[in-house]
Formats: sequence, C-alpha cells, structure tokens
Amino acid sequence: IAGITQAPTSQILAAGRRMTLRCTQDMRHNAMYWYRQDLGLGLRLIHYSNTAGTTGKGEVPDGYSVSRANTDDFPLTLASAVPSQTSVYFCASSERPEAGELFFGEGSRLTVL
Amino acid sequence: GQNIDQPTEMTATEGAIVQINCTYQTSGFNGLFWYQQHAGEAPTFLSYNVLDGLEEKGRFSSFLSRSKGYSYLLLKELQMKDSASYLCAVRDSNYQLIWGAGTKLIIKP
Repeated sequence: IAGITQAPTSQILAAGRRMTLRCTQDMRHNAMYWYRQDLGLGLRLIHYSNTAGTTGKGEVPDGYSVSRANTDDFPLTLASAVPSQTSVYFCASSERPEAGELFFGEGSRLTVL
Repeated sequence: GQNIDQPTEMTATEGAIVQINCTYQTSGFNGLFWYQQHAGEAPTFLSYNVLDGLEEKGRFSSFLSRSKGYSYLLLKELQMKDSASYLCAVRDSNYQLIWGAGTKLIIKP
C-alpha cells in the first residue's frame, strides 16, 4: 500500500537554486495539500488543490508554486531557494476538501544553505 | 486572527491517564481533529469531532465543546509507544485546517 509518496526524502540545496519536491498519491483523492513544519510552529499550509486542474494559496505561499495536471501528482517548486525555506515539507491528501481525514506523506527535509 | 493553543510538553507515567487540552479561536468551525506524530515521522489521524461531546476510540477519547472553543484528547493505559507529539487542528469556514504547534508527550516507565 503506497498511499502518498514524496521525493526526495532529504536534500541540501544552495541558496538561489531551483528545487521541485514531488508528491504522488494512488488513492484517487481529489484534494491535495503542501505543508511546511518548523520547530515550535504548527503545520502551515503553503498551497492546496481541491481537484485536478485547480490550485489555491495557503497561509505561506510566497516563494513557492504548485501545479495539479492530474489527480495523482502535486509537485511543489521553489523557484529560487532561500535559507528561510529550510524546513520539513509534508504533502497530504484527502478524499475531498471537506473530508475528515488527511493522509500524509513521509515528508521531505530540505536544508537551504 | 486564528489561534490554536495547546501545551508545549507534558510528562506522564506508563499505565496512567493523561489529558491534552486544546483551545481555539477560528473564523468559523467545521470540525476539530487530533493527529499523532512520532519524531521524524508523518502525522497520523486519531480523531474527528464536529458535534459537542465525547468520542471514544479504544484507549483514546476526544471531547469537544464548541461554545467554549475547547477540546481535549484523553489517553488511557499509557504505553511507551504513546510517546509522540499530539497535534490539534480546526477546520475553519473555508475548510482549511488551522494547526496548533503540538504537545510533546513524554512517557516515563
């Protein structure tokens, strides 16, 4: 049972470089989300997609972009990484936006130097 | 603004009972969630409350009072594997989840 797969699991990146975090789900969920988790703070929503072909901005979208070309894939791109984007990134999905339960990927630990 | 408050850290003894509180102030309410997150792992779903009252699921129970903006997670018969962070989250009027910073629960033998 795969669920949600994120890649890479860990990455060290030089500031100014472009980086794409990949997220794939095999549950045919309509809604997908990208969160970042930083020590002492709650999960913060970066971008979301309620269904394939649509995306929306979350609480902290600046410096990030997403696309949702199909149901399964929801990549997150950092156009020009900065040290403040050092974080653990979680991709999540739910059957539909108003569904009760989110399913999370294992996370991608990103360090920007 | 929107705010979720929960204690930063709690300590309890194996076999005992612990209650983790969560208070919230959000723009609208469409349900409250509790997730468990072991260190270095992804959050996993524990419970969902949308109506006032107690929801019981095995050793874990979750309570909600919408009028007080208050919830708690009750863990009974604590086991060492329950050492984890417990995240409280509220779904607001836009159906977005607002997350607390989490409560780190330390279980001692």
